[in-house]
Amino acid sequence: GDSVTQMEGPVTLSEEAFLTINCTYTATGYPSLFWYVQYPGEGLQLLLKATKADDKGSNKGFEATYRKETTSFHLEKGSVQVSDSAVYFCALADTGNQFYFGTGTSLTVIP
Amino acid sequence: ETGVTQTPRHLVMGMTNKKSLKCEQHLGHNAMYWYKQSAKKPLELMFVYNFKEQTENNSVPSRFSPECPNSSHLFLHLHTLQPEDSALYLCASSQENTPARKDTQYFGPGTRLTVL
Repeated sequence: GDSVTQMEGPVTLSEEAFLTINCTYTATGYPSLFWYVQYPGEGLQLLLKATKADDKGSNKGFEATYRKETTSFHLEKGSVQVSDSAVYFCALADTGNQFYFGTGTSLTVIP
Repeated sequence: ETGVTQTPRHLVMGMTNKKSLKCEQHLGHNAMYWYKQSAKKPLELMFVYNFKEQTENNSVPSRFSPECPNSSHLFLHLHTLQPEDSALYLCASSQENTPARKDTQYFGPGTRLTVL
């Protein structure tokens, strides 16, 4: 069945450090891939998405590229800020519009 | 502003109480979802409604009862809950929930439920 595996946290970085959160997926079809972010006390917000192979999603300095050959959708940001501290979820939507979420990766950025 | 609102934001209830969670979406979507988020576990999809019809029930205990009176509103009625039901309950909506589509889901802020 379909599934998403993302790196376990927590991740702690200093401000302006480079961020990578790994995400790999298993899917039977040609899924759309998403990164959601959850700030403390809030629901999930869509951060970026990609709908086909080699697409790059980007938003607020975050990027992720849909890699079909490695079934990956790693999240990256060149210089993190304290305000980026949150939990990040990788997700896929496959045929049937069913969403599958990873377990989430907690990021803390310290000044 | 996500366009999906949930009330209440926090709820504490005893095991014998009956309460309801409310979700409203202002995005013109036709599909709505209930998820349960527990610590250190993936989001659990509970129910899916598409054009007001329930299309998914992921083996959810009957003490959780959803209601979707129209495409903009979704309720989750709760009764005789257990302490292990304490979690963050998230509502989401998307354009549609049909086999050919892979629509983005938009989430509300959630209701933090504590069952004593």
